Amino acid sequence: GDSVTQMEGPVTLSEEAFLTINCTYTATGYPSLFWYVQYPGEGLQLLLKATKADDKGSNKGFEATYRKETTSFHLEKGSVQVSDSAVYFCALSSGNNRLAFGKGNQVVVIP
Amino acid sequence: ETGVTQTPRHLVMGMTNKKSLKCEQHLGHNAMYWYKQSAKKPLELMFVYNFKEQTENNSVPSRFSPECPNSSHLFLHLHTLQPEDSALYLCASSQQPGLQETQYFGPGTRLLVL
Repeated sequence: GDSVTQMEGPVTLSEEAFLTINCTYTATGYPSLFWYVQYPGEGLQLLLKATKADDKGSNKGFEATYRKETTSFHLEKGSVQVSDSAVYFCALSSGNNRLAFGKGNQVVVIP
Repeated sequence: ETGVTQTPRHLVMGMTNKKSLKCEQHLGHNAMYWYKQSAKKPLELMFVYNFKEQTENNSVPSRFSPECPNSSHLFLHLHTLQPEDSALYLCASSQQPGLQETQYFGPGTRLLVL
C-alpha cells in the first residue's frame, strides 16, 4: 500500500541554521504530496503541497520539491527561527481519499 | 485557525463511560474525517464522510461510532473504551474527497481512558 517514510528521530538545531527533513514515499499512480506542521497543543496545519512531478511547494520560507525519480519530497528551510519548533509530517494522497502520513519529526530550534 | 473546531479539547473517561466528541467545520466543505494520533505512531484514518454519507471505515472497533448529521458537523460516540484508546483524536475536512484536496484539521481532543 501507499506509505511515507520520514527520517528517524528529533531534529535539534540552532537558530538561523539550515533545516532539512527527509521524506520518501511509495505509491501507485501519481500522488499529491504534502507537508503538515503541528505546533504544541494544536492540530495539523498545511504547510505546503505539490501535486505533480517537479512542482515546488513553498510557504513561510519552507520549500519542498516533488521528485518522482527519487520518490522524495524533502522539506528545507534556509534559516530557522525558534518559532519553527514543531512536529512536521510528510503525507501523500493517492486518489482513494486517504492521506498517508509519515511518523513525523520533532524539530527543536535553540536560540 | 478557527475553520475546524473540536470539543471538548480534553476528556478523561472510565472504561464504562459513554461520551461524545464533536467536530464542526465552518469552511463549507463536503467531506469530513476522523483520525487517531497515538504517541510514536503515524496518524491513523478512522472514518470518512462525504456529503453526510460514510464512505470509509478503516476497520475501527465498534466501540467507536461516528455520526454525521450534516456536512458541517461530525461526532464520534465513545463507549466501553480501553486504555489503549487514549490518544489525540483529530477531525479534518476538505472541499471534497480527492487526490489534490487539502484537508484542514481541528485542534484535536486529547482523550485519556482510565
